[in-house]
Parts: sequence; structure tokens; C-alpha cells
Amino acid sequence: GNSVTQMEGPVTLSEEAFLTINCTYTATGYPSLFWYVQYPGEGLQLLLKATKADDKGSNKGFEATYRKETTSFHLEKGSVQVSDSAVYFCALSPTGNQFYFGTGTSLTVIP
Amino acid sequence: DAGVIQSPRHEVTEMGQEVTLRCKPISGHNSLFWYRQTMMRGLELLIYFNNNVPIDDSGMPEDRFSAKMPNASFSTLKIQPSEPRDSAVYFCASSPGVEKLFFGSGTQLSVL
Repeated sequence: GNSVTQMEGPVTLSEEAFLTINCTYTATGYPSLFWYVQYPGEGLQLLLKATKADDKGSNKGFEATYRKETTSFHLEKGSVQVSDSAVYFCALSPTGNQFYFGTGTSLTVIP
Repeated sequence: DAGVIQSPRHEVTEMGQEVTLRCKPISGHNSLFWYRQTMMRGLELLIYFNNNVPIDDSGMPEDRFSAKMPNASFSTLKIQPSEPRDSAVYFCASSPGVEKLFFGSGTQLSVL
């Protein structure tokens, strides 16, 4: 079946610290992988995506690389800001029509 | 485009009452999804429609929940009768296909 497992939070970091949020997946076939971000009081927004092995998705300083050999798609950012405080969801789509989300990881960045 | 529009933003009701959540997808999108978000279970897919037809409703928790999409620009999620354990944030999302998903701002439901 299809599923996503991501590290549990909450994660609290100081401003300018390095961020890693781990995500691993189980899927049939070759899914596309995504990171979505949810700011307080809002719906989820696409942060970045990768559609095939070894692809790197990037946006707003965040990066994630599609690792087929380890079935992982870890989210990284070199220097977080207070405005990055949000909940981050890893997701996969095996078909383009259905999406499977992880449970979300809450990030708080303190000045 | 206004994005996916959900109403109401907040709903407070008493146990046993009927609750109807509404969603207007982005024009031209052919898929619509209803999700429920709770602290305990995260984001759960309840049902999704493709071209107004329900494709997968295996996530609907029980018969108290029903969803309709009478046309391409409107969908409802109904809970009858509501229970306190239904309290959650309910999200509607639409997609034009090809791995793009756009979420509404959600409806915060509290059942007392």
C-alpha cells in the first residue's frame, strides 16, 4: 500500500539554525513526492515537489531530494526564520489523483 | 482566482444536530477532496470526487457522514447526527489533475 511516515514533532529551533524533517514512504510504483506547509489558521500549500528518483525539489530556501534507495524525502533548510514556523506535511501521489499525507511536523522558530 | 472557498469558517453546534459544510472548488478543476484534520490522527482523506462522481469514499468514518457534488462548482459534506468526536478541522481541496492540490482555509467544527 501507500503510506508516509514523518518524524514527530514538535520541533523547536532558534533562528538561523539548520532544519531537517525526516520523511520516509511506502508506495507501489513510482510516486511523486511533496512537502506541504500549513501556516496557522490556513489550509495546506505546496512547498516543493519531486517527480522521480534523484530529483531535488526546492523553494524558499527549503530542499528535499527524492531518494529511491532509502525511500526517503527529507526536508532541509540551512537557516530557518521565525516566519518558517508552521506545520510541515510530507505527501506522496502514486497516480496524480490521490494524495497520501504524513501526520505533520510542527516547527516553531524562536528569535 | 479566489481559490478554494469553504464555508463556514467556524461552526459550533450541539451533539445530535445536523451539520453541513460547503465547498466551492477552483473553476476548471475536475477533482475535489474532503479531508479531516485532528491532533490525534493528522490529515485523513474522507472522500474524493472526479468529474462530480465519488471515486473513493473509504475514508468516510460512518454512515453519519455523507458528501455530495451536484455540479462542478459546489460540494457539501454533511454530518447527521453530529457527535463530539466529530470535532475537527475539515478541509476541502481541488485539483486540475497532474499532481496539483489546492486547499481551502478549512472549517473548524466544534460539537458540544
